[in-house]
Amino acid sequence: RKEVEQDPGPFNVPEGATVAFNCTYSNSASQSFFWYRQDCRKEPKLLMSVYSSGNEDGRFTAQLNRASQYISLLIRDSKLSDSATYLCVVWYDPGTYKYIFGTGTRLKVLA
Amino acid sequence: GAGVSQSPSNKVTEKGKDVELRCDPISGHTALYWYRQSLGQGLEFLIYFQGNSAPDKSGLPSDRFSAERTGGSVSTLTIQRTQQEDSAVYLCASSLVGGGADTQYFGPGTRLTVL
Repeated sequence: RKEVEQDPGPFNVPEGATVAFNCTYSNSASQSFFWYRQDCRKEPKLLMSVYSSGNEDGRFTAQLNRASQYISLLIRDSKLSDSATYLCVVWYDPGTYKYIFGTGTRLKVLA
Repeated sequence: GAGVSQSPSNKVTEKGKDVELRCDPISGHTALYWYRQSLGQGLEFLIYFQGNSAPDKSGLPSDRFSAERTGGSVSTLTIQRTQQEDSAVYLCASSLVGGGADTQYFGPGTRLTVL
């Protein structure tokens, strides 16, 4: 089982739609969680960190469910510019230093 | 301010040759990471630097891979006797202090093609 798993997609949605992605992680000791965005042939960029209480940034909402070991990303009112691959990232306890990246979920927003 | 830079942006080499990839992190960032991303794959962790030391080298795939960091700044990833399976995009990232609460800032990557 992969340490961080994501549905690769693609998710094809019309402009204005709401779309949600989930990501599951296997290590219950995971402490920090992030969503990164990666455009085609570009480097990943931080979209948002994920906090235990859930957090929102404009049209984007991230949530963490520790009991079921998954995080989610909700995008409301999708824009064409949201088309990208969304990477789920998990960091374990101090001493391992490694950020574990999922393989990403590809989103295509259609006009 | 300046972001993370990497050079070269593209490198084509023949099997068996050695290559050096360079990363210039954001000034003042003490943590530096190297990753590898193959086509359609996620980012694979290679090595982490805190200052000039590398407390975690666990991701280096073989002894043909090595990395160093000097002056707490520039890092070089060296691949000796390259193989076709080494073809990938090599990404460098830096963060302010390292650790789980830190944001990683990525460079544009070096696309390595081994013929």
